[in-house]
Amino acid sequence: DIQMTQSPSSLSASVGDRVTITCRASQGISHYLAWFQQKPGKAPKSLIYAASSLQSGVPSKFSGSGSGTDFTLTISSLQPEDFATYYCQQYITYPLTFGGGTKVEIK
Amino acid sequence: QVQLQESGPGLVKPSETLSLTCAVSGDSISSTYYWGWIRQPPGKGLEWIGSIYHSGSTYFNPSLRSRVTVSLDTSKSQFSLSLRSVTAADTAVYYCTRRPSGYAIDYWGQGTLVTVSS
Repeated sequence: DIQMTQSPSSLSASVGDRVTITCRASQGISHYLAWFQQKPGKAPKSLIYAASSLQSGVPSKFSGSGSGTDFTLTISSLQPEDFATYYCQQYITYPLTFGGGTKVEIK
Repeated sequence: QVQLQESGPGLVKPSETLSLTCAVSGDSISSTYYWGWIRQPPGKGLEWIGSIYHSGSTYFNPSLRSRVTVSLDTSKSQFSLSLRSVTAADTAVYYCTRRPSGYAIDYWGQGTLVTVSS
């Protein structure tokens, strides 16, 4: 199985901050990397596919980059509605695997 | 607007079978998508359970393969999950998902909590 490791597991940030979350795959996955946002008590929401492409309707403050084993999710200017847990997932091969999540909290 | 809606019992007894259905609306379930199930134990992360392609091909997490069945009912525009011999460790919110072939998951159901308890 491909292991996905996210860092940090949690972070505290202020409104307006630029936030970057890292996801590392245990082997190369090309660009087959997705990011999801989950708020408490809600289903995850799809943000990014193919490492850097925004899903329909996702604001441009979210951006993704990377290829191979190292990926990042950046939120350019954190807003109150962005406080949530973020997960990465590889979909190049089965079993599909997720990172452990990064909880973004208000400082 | 594509919508996925899970349904099924919220409480299952240990050793019994957990059965859930996902109703799909807003698109054809026969299109080139993988229809899948993901679960999340309370306070924990996401775990992929399995998927079924529109052709009927299935793919499962090796950790659950021996206990899982996923099926497709195109006439009812729904797909289903069966998880046999459940234990308390199977207590989780279960989500159904849609993943276009070659792409990432784009739609999620709202999720349904299934508790395994006597």
